[in-house]
Amino acid sequence: QQQVKQSPQSLIVQKGGISIINCAYENTAFDYFPWYQQFPGKGPALLIAIRPDVSEKKEGRFTISFNKSAKQFSLHIMDSQPGDSATYFCAASKALNFGKGTSLLVTP
Amino acid sequence: DGGITQSPKYLFRKEGQNVTLSCEQNLNHDAMYWYRQDPGQGLRLIYYSQIVNDFQKGDIAEGYSVSREKKESFPLTVTSAQKNPTAFYLCASTQWGSGYGYTFGSGTRLTVV
Repeated sequence: QQQVKQSPQSLIVQKGGISIINCAYENTAFDYFPWYQQFPGKGPALLIAIRPDVSEKKEGRFTISFNKSAKQFSLHIMDSQPGDSATYFCAASKALNFGKGTSLLVTP
Repeated sequence: DGGITQSPKYLFRKEGQNVTLSCEQNLNHDAMYWYRQDPGQGLRLIYYSQIVNDFQKGDIAEGYSVSREKKESFPLTVTSAQKNPTAFYLCASTQWGSGYGYTFGSGTRLTVV
């Protein structure tokens, strides 16, 4: 059973636009929500993470929004750049529960 | 620099052959993991280990085996019982407990020839 559901599966955004990727989780015991970025042929790298005691965390152009009551969290990439083109994975708690990934393409 | 080293980067297996993928970390992390990645499937957990000489099966352990004789090392053997082993394999490590992100290796791409 997929405990973390991620959408969309793929996303195309123009340069300078906002990329939004959503995740929903089921287990209310989850207490750590990281996002990973993966470039082709490489391992994923931790991008940003949030705990459920805050509703938003921002690091540069990357922001996590967290809605505890809805059991949802999302990644926003502001001013998206072609170099942001990658696959993004959300995860919950010890990251044994990964979403299936979103392939982001930022067009020039 | 601390990190995780996976080797080899590319590996070719003949039918009926066992192969072993190496994963070494110098981060002093307690827990180590093996994932399999197929296009459109995300990351699927094969095995994980929280401490030396102990490991647990993940969602797709059939056809795979692991060992954890040292804290730094967590090799994965893909046995001949794994009927569709062609995939990208990722090793990761973390401090056990909540609130720690994973550090991933750069992966091994295994192809059956």
